[in-house]
This record gives sequence, structure tokens and C-alpha cells, in this order.
Amino acid sequence: QQQVKQSPQSLIVQKGGISIINCAYENTAFDYFPWYQQFPGKGPALLIAIRPDVSEKKEGRFTISFNKSAKQFSLHIMDSQPGDSATYFCAASSYSGAGSYQLTFGKGTKLSVIP
Amino acid sequence: DSGVTQTPKHLITATGQRVTLRCSPRSGDLSVYWYQQSLDQGLQFLIQYYNGEERAKGNILERFSAQQFPDLHSELNLSSLELGDSALYFCASSVFGRNTGELFFGEGSRLTVL
Repeated sequence: QQQVKQSPQSLIVQKGGISIINCAYENTAFDYFPWYQQFPGKGPALLIAIRPDVSEKKEGRFTISFNKSAKQFSLHIMDSQPGDSATYFCAASSYSGAGSYQLTFGKGTKLSVIP
Repeated sequence: DSGVTQTPKHLITATGQRVTLRCSPRSGDLSVYWYQQSLDQGLQFLIQYYNGEERAKGNILERFSAQQFPDLHSELNLSSLELGDSALYFCASSVFGRNTGELFFGEGSRLTVL
């Protein structure tokens, strides 16, 4: 059961362009929405995250937009650079009991930024 | 460097065999998570431990088991291996009890079953 749906599967963007990755969820128990970035041969690393009481969060060239009513959120990468080429995962966190939280990941988007 | 250490980085074995993957969490993190990453399934949550106790279970097969030891390192045991078990296995650790959504991942163990 795919609880977090991510699109597109792959994305090619020209250097300087805007990269947009979208995610949708169904479970209203999710209460924290991080994005992870993974380079080849490395583990995923937290990039930016948002709580559902905020509609937008910006950190440098990276922005999360969150639409609670539509249960959708997206990552925008402004002025995309070749160094941004990586796989991006959206995720959603929920309380799983006994003080534990669990992350559910989307299937990932492979971003290629071409010069 | 996330501070999470996984060994081995690469492992090649045959069907039917058993392997053990090892993970040392970040200093101070009591919670350890195991994830399986394959091309078509993305990151699949397997199991979570907190301070030696199992706390949550995901899509973990019965042929797989894990434990967390008193020194907080964790091991994932995979037995009766099948071709379909070939994947990247990630360990992650976190500050327990805080929903920051932040997991610190190791660099993974790539398992190839021939």
C-alpha cells in the first residue's frame, strides 16, 4: 500500500530552471513532511521539512509548498544546478505508538540538471 | 558524514544463504531503523528498535530478523536468501521521541544474491 505518492519518477531540468516534485498522501494522521536528498552511493539526507500548519517553507533555493485540504505537498528547486542532480524522496511522519514516529517515503524522483 | 556506520558496504552471496548486516547508530541516538531500497519499491520500512526493544514493524519478511544490542548497535539477519532480496539495506538512527522527521542514514549495505 503506497501511502505517499510521488511524481514524476524522473525529471530533467536545464541549469537555472525550476525543478518541481509533487507528493500526495491519504493518511490524515501524518503530521510532519520532510524531503530527503540522496546522491549515488550515499544514504538519504534530510533536505527540508514542513509541518501541516504552515503553507510554505523556504530554505535557500529549496521551497516546500503544502496544501493541507488537498493533502498535497511539493518541492521546488529554484535556479537548479548540476550539483542538485540526485534522487529526491518526499516522506510523511506519523506517531506509531510507544513514543515512536515512523516515516513513510514516496518512491523517489531522479532529478538530472543538465548544463 | 551522518555518523551512522554500516558494514559491510557490499555483499555477494548465493540463494539459500544467510547474511548479517551491522549498524552502529549516531552517538546518543537510541532508536535504530532498517529500510530496504530497491529500484521499483523505493525505501521500504522494515523494523525499528529503541534501546534494545522492538518498537515498530513494517514490511519485514519472516525470513528476516533484527536485534539491537546493549551497546545500541543493531544487526539485520537475512536468511534463506532469494534473488529478490537483492537490494540496498539502510540503517538509520534518530532522536527518540521527537517528531522532527529527521532520520540519519548510513551509506547502506548493497546485497547481491546470485
